[in-house]
Amino acid sequence: GENVEQHPSTLSVQEGDSAVIKCTYSDSASNYFPWYKQELGKGPQLIIDIRSNVGEKKDQRIAVTLNKTAKHFSLHITETQPEDSAVYFCACKKGGYQKVTFGIGTKLQVIP
Amino acid sequence: TAGITQAPTSQILAAGRSMTLRCTQDMRHNAMYWYRQDLGLGLRLIHYSNTAGTTGKGEVPDGYSVSRANTDDFPLTLASAVPSQTSVYFCASSEGTSGRTDTQYFGPGTRLTVL
Repeated sequence: GENVEQHPSTLSVQEGDSAVIKCTYSDSASNYFPWYKQELGKGPQLIIDIRSNVGEKKDQRIAVTLNKTAKHFSLHITETQPEDSAVYFCACKKGGYQKVTFGIGTKLQVIP
Repeated sequence: TAGITQAPTSQILAAGRSMTLRCTQDMRHNAMYWYRQDLGLGLRLIHYSNTAGTTGKGEVPDGYSVSRANTDDFPLTLASAVPSQTSVYFCASSEGTSGRTDTQYFGPGTRLTVL
């Protein structure tokens, strides 16, 4: 089955700096790569996603890049703010299947 | 719109007892899922349902059962709880039709402690 590795497990950055979280996957048939943000005591929420037919997608301060050849994708958060502090999960899924495989999560702390 | 609701919010359960975690969605999504979240292990799929009347096993199905009698409800049952089932349980749903609408929406979770 699919295997997703996520790094780092924890990340501390100063407010205003950038944060980068990286994931690798094993199944070359995967074609959908969402990122979720989970705040304390809440369920995960989708923040951005990318499909295999594009290499980069941006939404304000958040961007995701995908390298299908190398089978890795990354989340980039610029101009970090204290409210960005949360646990972030990467995930991937294959076309035609509903099941999503998640990474183990990255705890991001933005220091004011 | 409420989205996905889960009940109870938290529960302490004696080992050997049974319990049903409830999940209801009002988005008319076809697919629903149950995950457990444990420190250092991320989110692991327990069971899923692609549409009402069908269910499937996920990554960690042992000790759990599900049913999908209608579109909105997807209860998760622990027949005889064990301490290793202590976890936070999340229900999720997605449109699950053509595969193009893949976003999963999560409920707020149920924190279960088995003693």
